[in-house]
Amino acid sequence: DGGITQSPKYLFRKEGQNVTLSCEQNLNHDAMYWYRQDPGQGLRLIYYSQIVNDFQKGDIAEGYSVSREKKESFPLTVTSAQKNPTAFYLCASTTSGGAIETQYFGPGTRLLVL
Amino acid sequence: SQQGEEDPQALSIQEGENATMNCSYKTSINNLQWYRQNSGRGLVHLILIRSNEREKHSGRLRVTLDTSKKSSSLLITASRAADTASYFCATDAKAQKLVFGQGTRLTINP
Repeated sequence: DGGITQSPKYLFRKEGQNVTLSCEQNLNHDAMYWYRQDPGQGLRLIYYSQIVNDFQKGDIAEGYSVSREKKESFPLTVTSAQKNPTAFYLCASTTSGGAIETQYFGPGTRLLVL
Repeated sequence: SQQGEEDPQALSIQEGENATMNCSYKTSINNLQWYRQNSGRGLVHLILIRSNEREKHSGRLRVTLDTSKKSSSLLITASRAADTASYFCATDAKAQKLVFGQGTRLTINP
């Protein structure tokens, strides 16, 4: 099955703790994205990567970090600097190129603070 | 501010009726896309319409695009309970990035 997987489905973070959300795709897509979704709201872009070993900040990058060491993987770390991390996190991927085409989304990770 | 603004924010209709959602945006685009999100799940792509297209169909979905008014509409005909979801428009106004609206929450009542 081709697609995007995210793990875990639920993640609990203690105060001052860094946590890492996993995102893996086997679609051979070059570009990958991380979004944050708050209840009843749209998606806000955290980070994106168009190619291995390169990534750019989105609109709300503060308190987050990413890496892109492999084409298939784009993990997101929520650091202790992110003071309000409770949200639904979505990873997406697409073929790279000019205009943005269809994005394929993973099932999401819900992050809760203990 | 959001590039895409959906209207209405919430819509409740009876099964079998048609549902229309609107999206307005601010800057020029290459394409506009509509996505569906079931509660607690990821987004699923529904349809993409390019800036040189005016109307596009996919099954029970019809999307229109008016670039002069910077607006789009999504029509779902003969709605079903399974259509209950949130619907988002997304534009590619920013290079290599999609900008999503706040979404319309659609409820289909049996």
